[in-house]
Amino acid sequence: AQSVTQLDSHVSVSEGTPVLLRCNYSSSYSPSLFWYVQHPNKGLQLLLKYTSAATLVKGINGFEAEFKKSETSFHLTKPSAHMSDAAEYFCVVSDNQAGTALIFGKGTTLSVSS
Amino acid sequence: DSGVTQTPKHLITATGQRVTLRCSPRSGDLSVYWYQQSLDQGLQFLIQYYNGEERAKGNILERFSAQQFPDLHSELNLSSLELGDSALYFCASSVGWGSNEKLFFGSGTQLSVL
Repeated sequence: AQSVTQLDSHVSVSEGTPVLLRCNYSSSYSPSLFWYVQHPNKGLQLLLKYTSAATLVKGINGFEAEFKKSETSFHLTKPSAHMSDAAEYFCVVSDNQAGTALIFGKGTTLSVSS
Repeated sequence: DSGVTQTPKHLITATGQRVTLRCSPRSGDLSVYWYQQSLDQGLQFLIQYYNGEERAKGNILERFSAQQFPDLHSELNLSSLELGDSALYFCASSVGWGSNEKLFFGSGTQLSVL
């Protein structure tokens, strides 16, 4: 069975400092992994996607994530936080089997202070 | 704007009632997904349709049903509503049916059951 665990429900950073949002996954097969972002009162938007190509994945708005199979992790990072990054972030896993769909983590709320 | 349209944006109803949520996918997308987002359960996958056929099923209650029509729009029917059904219901669409597809989300329908 596939699952994803976001290790922090809430992360607070100052503007201009690095962002780290942690995610561990569990999958019986070679997984696809995603990060989605949800801004207040908006739908979800794809930040980036890993599908067994390069282990370091670059996404939109300066975010990137590194797939580490040995650690079953897919942490999201950004070198310098911006106020507009404040949002809910979801780590998502799919084990690429027919009849399955994306499984979302519980989410991490990112707060950015000036 | 993701290109996925959900109506209505807000719905207030009473327990025991039945409601229908509507979703129009992005032009060219053949897959439609329904998700339920609540504070306690997070984002839960309900069901996926691809080109009119049910493709994958998640934690969808028997009181809930969905379908995808020939014009590819989808409807989610919720019946015998309970207080616990109050949630934000998202529709998403993608081009194909594979589980590594990029999903485009609508802005959601906020359902309040009183």
